[in-house]
Formats: sequence, C-alpha cells, structure tokens
Amino acid sequence: EIVLTQSPGILSLSPGERATLSCRASQTVTSSHLAWYQQKPGQAPRLLIYGASSRATGTPDRISGRGSGTDFTLSISRLEPEDFAVYYCQQYGRSPWTFGQGTKVEIK
Amino acid sequence: EVQLVESGGGLVQPGGSLRLSCAASRFTFTSYSMNWVRQTPGKGLEWVSYISSSSTTIYYADSVKGRFTISRDNAKNSLYLEMNSLRAEDTAVYYCARTIGFGVYYMDVWGTGTTVTVS
Repeated sequence: EIVLTQSPGILSLSPGERATLSCRASQTVTSSHLAWYQQKPGQAPRLLIYGASSRATGTPDRISGRGSGTDFTLSISRLEPEDFAVYYCQQYGRSPWTFGQGTKVEIK
Repeated sequence: EVQLVESGGGLVQPGGSLRLSCAASRFTFTSYSMNWVRQTPGKGLEWVSYISSSSTTIYYADSVKGRFTISRDNAKNSLYLEMNSLRAEDTAVYYCARTIGFGVYYMDVWGTGTTVTVS
C-alpha cells in the first residue's frame, strides 16, 4: 500500500501568516489522485482539495494545493482563525486508499 | 443540505458483532458510491470498505476482510456495515463517506460518525 507521510506534525503559526504543509508518498500517486481534508475537534473531515490542486466547493481561494508524483503541498496564504485545525492528505490512485497521519495547525 | 447520518455504534465484547447504518438524504443516493472510514487516536484515518452505486464492486481493507460486510439498500437510501469477530483494534469512530466512483475516489461528503468500542 502507499504510505503517506505528512510534515510537520505540528505547525505553530499566528493569524495572517502563511502555512505550508507537506505530504510525501512512498510510491507515485497515479494521476495526481490526492486529496486534502480539514478536521476540527468533534467534527468529521471536510474535503478541501482533490486532484492535488482542485478546490472543493466552499474552499476559500487562500487555500491551494499543488504537487505530483510523490510530493504534494497544501498552502494557506494567510491564516484565518477558522483555519486552525488538523489537515490530512489522502491518495485515491491505488487501493487501498490511504491517509497521512495529519498535520495540526495551531495558534502560536 | 446533503446529509449522511450514521447509527448503530456502541459497546461490544471482543468476538461480538455489530451492524452500522448510514442514512443518506438530499442527494441522489443511487448515483454515488459509498465508503466506510474509521478513525482512532492512534492510527488516524483508515479507509475500511467501498461499495459502488449498484453494489457490483466492493473492496475491503485487509484489516477487516473476511470479518466485515458492506451493503446498501438504494430503495431506502441506506448504507450498512456488518461487523463480526470484533477485536479491540476495531475500536474507532466510524464514518460513512460519499464518493463519485468510476476511478474518482475522494470523499466529498462525510457523516457525523458513530463510535464503536470493543472491550
């Protein structure tokens, strides 16, 4: 199976700063079939990005994804209070579909 | 608003069984494939099982193959997960999640989750 490794584990930033989250795959993710999800405490994950760079409905422009092959990045240009959460990447190019372990973006 | 609501979680002894349900509303259930995904503090998010819109294609994670059975009733807009031979490591919050299928397997709508505790 494809193992996804996210870094850093915790990102401590202030509102207004830029966040850069990494997701590295153990094998090539075919057709850039990579998604990003946001999860807040007590809530289900929410789809942010699919196809490595396409925003899901409701994802603000300040959130963007890029990458291909084995290296993918989620960027948040200017952190808003509602962006402090845990972010997960998921590959859906090859079964079993797998998730990264998550990056927590916390308020510094 | 599109909605998925899970039910059926609870406390069960090791070796026991449980049946989870997921009720879908406000979208055309028959047009979508569905998944079960579970989450634990230790292992994070883990995809468990997938079923296509017409139930013709079904996949399972190796960790549950032979013990769990996914099914759906399109007439009732419902998804199910029959869990047998439960183990402590099956303890998790279980989510149902919608996916388009046909090679596109990201999950665009998630339920609120139901907690299964095996102890």
